Amino acid sequence: DIVLTQSPPTVSLSPGERATLSCRASQNVASTLNWYQQKVGQPPRLLIFDTSNRAPDIPARFSGSGSGTDFTLTISSLEPEDFAVYYCQLRSHRPPFGGGTVVEIK
Amino acid sequence: EVHLLESGGDLVQPGGSLRLSCVGSKYTFSSFAMAWVRQAPGKAPEWVSFVESGGLYPYYTDAVRGRFTTSRDNSKNTLFLQMDSLRVEDTAIYYCAVMTRGVSVGCQFDYWGQGTRVTVSS
Repeated sequence: DIVLTQSPPTVSLSPGERATLSCRASQNVASTLNWYQQKVGQPPRLLIFDTSNRAPDIPARFSGSGSGTDFTLTISSLEPEDFAVYYCQLRSHRPPFGGGTVVEIK
Repeated sequence: EVHLLESGGDLVQPGGSLRLSCVGSKYTFSSFAMAWVRQAPGKAPEWVSFVESGGLYPYYTDAVRGRFTTSRDNSKNTLFLQMDSLRVEDTAIYYCAVMTRGVSVGCQFDYWGQGTRVTVSS
């Protein structure tokens, strides 16, 4: 089974700063990588599908890139509501999630 | 906007059973595949099961296959998860989710409910 490893586990940033989150797959997954945001007490929300496509109503400050085994979620300028946990997920028939990255306020 | 409401979560002893429900509204429920995803406390989400729009061929993660059964009643806009032989490790919040791209391309969880809590403990 494919394993997704996210790094760093936690990142401390200030509002207005740029966030760069990484997701590495244990084997080549082409572009079948999704990203979700989860705030405390809420379900996950789809942000990015197929590596780089924003889901409906997702702000342009969120972007995704990568291919093969290495993927990145970038938040260009953090807003207060962006402090949350972010998960990557493989679009497959046995879809693993990564372990998550916590974006916390510095 | 898509709305999903789960119910049926409870505290149950190991070996017990529960039936979860998920009612969908504000979209055409019968047109889309659905999934169950669970999240244990402090852990990442874990996919449990999915079923195509017509209710045929549900698919399960290895950890629940043979114990859980997914079904749907499109006339009532409702997805079900029958959970038997429950184990302590099944303790989690269970979410239902809409898969707008269907099942053939793999799982993409586009819309989620708020979840229902299942606790398995003696």
